[in-house]
Amino acid sequence: LAKTTQPISMDSYEGQEVNITCSHNNIATNDYITWYQQFPSQGPRFIIQGYKTKVTNEVASLFIPADRKSSTLSLPRVSLSDTAVYYCLVGDSWGKFQFGAGTQVVVTP
Amino acid sequence: DGGITQSPKYLFRKEGQNVTLSCEQNLNHDAMYWYRQDPGQGLRLIYYSQIVNDFQKGDIAEGYSVSREKKESFPLTVTSAQKNPTAFYLCASSIGGPRYNEQFFGPGTRLTVL
Repeated sequence: LAKTTQPISMDSYEGQEVNITCSHNNIATNDYITWYQQFPSQGPRFIIQGYKTKVTNEVASLFIPADRKSSTLSLPRVSLSDTAVYYCLVGDSWGKFQFGAGTQVVVTP
Repeated sequence: DGGITQSPKYLFRKEGQNVTLSCEQNLNHDAMYWYRQDPGQGLRLIYYSQIVNDFQKGDIAEGYSVSREKKESFPLTVTSAQKNPTAFYLCASSIGGPRYNEQFFGPGTRLTVL
């Protein structure tokens, strides 16, 4: 399984865009990049998944460069409720992941 | 109302006792997973099952056992062989196929060994 590296924490103000970059240098050809959000004492929630280029949904965008050795999750116009831990995961399509420690995002007024 | 349920929410156990955590889903998902989360840490995969009557060990299977006799159910037994079982346990499921990575999580069971 590919190992991922992401910042331990990030701070932001309400209304700003938050970009979290994840490094995954040994990503395999069959691996997908998936991001989850977790609030304290709750199970993680799926945010977005991609293989290459750009993926966008109603809550986030995922940018993946051509070499796929990194990816960036973009959260537009964050609010206080976006304060959470965000996990970058790399794994094949069978859903077998390794969760790292994630990035704690703190949004303040 | 579709989703994943885990019970109980809080569980206390004496050392040396086996305990079984329940996980049920009515999403008609093929795949189910068990994770363990320790304070301040990410999730670690214990077991996963991609189809009924089949399951695979994850990264930390020692001291745990599972069964998958029905599509809807994937109970986890924490045995006395698990040396440090106090943790937050999360069950998840996914539809399978190209969407294995889109996992839906239950609310979790917090197990405390006294």
